[in-house]
Amino acid sequence: GAVVSQHPSRVICKSGTSVKIECRSLDFQATTMFWYRQFPKQSLMLMATSNEGSKATYEQGVEKDKFLINHASLTLSTLTVTSAHPEDSSFYICSASKGPLPYEQYFGPGTRLTVT
Amino acid sequence: AQTVTQSQPEMSVQEAETVTLSCTYDTSESDYYLFWYKQPPSRQMILVIRQEAYKQQNATENRFSVNFQKAAKSFSLKISDSQLGDAAMYFCAYPPPGANSKLTFGKGITLSVRP
Repeated sequence: GAVVSQHPSRVICKSGTSVKIECRSLDFQATTMFWYRQFPKQSLMLMATSNEGSKATYEQGVEKDKFLINHASLTLSTLTVTSAHPEDSSFYICSASKGPLPYEQYFGPGTRLTVT
Repeated sequence: AQTVTQSQPEMSVQEAETVTLSCTYDTSESDYYLFWYKQPPSRQMILVIRQEAYKQQNATENRFSVNFQKAAKSFSLKISDSQLGDAAMYFCAYPPPGANSKLTFGKGITLSVRP
């Protein structure tokens, strides 16, 4: 199998606070993990790519100081939304790639963030 | 630029019937992979089917099959014997070359299944 979990599934936070979302590959070691943002009825927008032990690569237009990504181990990546504002409210999805097949990604169930 | 186009935002199919979802892509590569992902109302992304460009045979997974036309850069998904559980958003995805396993997704198509 290739199971990816995310925690929490839902979170509500107040404007100005920070919130951390965890992404874990439960039964495999992930060479690469990805973080996406998805608005209702829209496609997935890639925010960043992370490899264990190295800095994340952010997509153009994504603020690295606002969306902090830490890939601490081959099974865990975290996304911290710092100083959250209502416009950060969205559905955040992580995925992990294990190889040997390149490009195939296994997705977590997503986290719904609401900033009040 | 490497792009993936899904031009149909919505489709509907009668239960037990067959439906085809369209996808076109743009690439200058000769060997690559293509994917269809399903996102049901739970929003969990599920890999439906994968096609390797160098393989001439169209991929098949149970009721799901692809019509891969490499020259036309077309990669459509056919769902046979549609079931209520097939109702979901479907995304076509393509990994840009040298992109460290990144995927480029199409805009998606919302499929509804009529009982």
